[in-house]
Amino acid sequence: GAGVSQSPSNKVTEKGKDVELRCDPISGHTALYWYRQSLGQGLEFLIYFQGNSAPDKSGLPSDRFSAERTGGSVSTLTIQRTQQEDSAVYLCASSLHPGLTYEQYFGPGTRLTVT
Amino acid sequence: AQSVTQLGSHVSVSEGALVLLRCNYSSSVPPYLFWYVQYPNQGLQLLLKYTTGATLVKGINGFEAEFKKSETSFHLTKPSAHMSDAAEYFCAVSESEYSGGGADGLTFGKGTHLIIQP
Repeated sequence: GAGVSQSPSNKVTEKGKDVELRCDPISGHTALYWYRQSLGQGLEFLIYFQGNSAPDKSGLPSDRFSAERTGGSVSTLTIQRTQQEDSAVYLCASSLHPGLTYEQYFGPGTRLTVT
Repeated sequence: AQSVTQLGSHVSVSEGALVLLRCNYSSSVPPYLFWYVQYPNQGLQLLLKYTTGATLVKGINGFEAEFKKSETSFHLTKPSAHMSDAAEYFCAVSESEYSGGGADGLTFGKGTHLIIQP
C-alpha cells in the first residue's frame, strides 16, 4: 500500500518568505508526527497530532512555526518569515494509533533551503 | 529528560565483518529504545525496538540489539556486513509511555554513517 508522502520533495526559498510543507499520512493512521533533520543536529521532534488536535506544541522551534491537520488526514507545516537556520529536511511520520507500541512510518522528507 | 549518544559519526567496516554501532541513553524511567535506518534520499525505516521483556531484540536485515540497563546501552550489531547495509543509523529513546504522554515524539541520536568497504 501507499506509504507516507510529502511534498514538495525540495523547496528553495528566499529569507523572509513563508513556506508550506505537506504531509499525507498512511490511510487510516490516526497519529501524525513532524520532525526536523538539520545538518549536525540530528533529528528533532517538532509536533504530534492525534486526530486533528496537537496536544503539545512546545517542540516547535519558534512562533514562526505552525502546523495543522484537517480531516484526520493531511497535515501542513507552515514556516513564516523563513530564516537561514530553518534550512533542514522536514520529516513526517504516521502511526496507526498514538503510543510507541505502534510503529511510526516515515515519509521521504522535504528538503528546505533558505537562501 | 531523555537523551541519546551515538559514539562515532562514521563507522567503516569491511564487507563480511562484524558491524557494531554504539548507543547510550539517559532516561529517568525505563525507556523504550529504537534503531532506525535511513538509506540515501529515503525516509527512516524501523530496524528494531525494545519495549519490555527480552533484552536481546532481533530486527530486520539480520540486525539485533541488546538492552543493557546497567550500562545504559542499546548497541546495534550484525555478524556479517553487506554492501547494502551502507546507510545512516539512528538510535532513539522515549519515555512517553511512562510519562503519560502516550505519543510524544522520539528523541534521536545524531546518527552514525555506516560505510562498508569492499
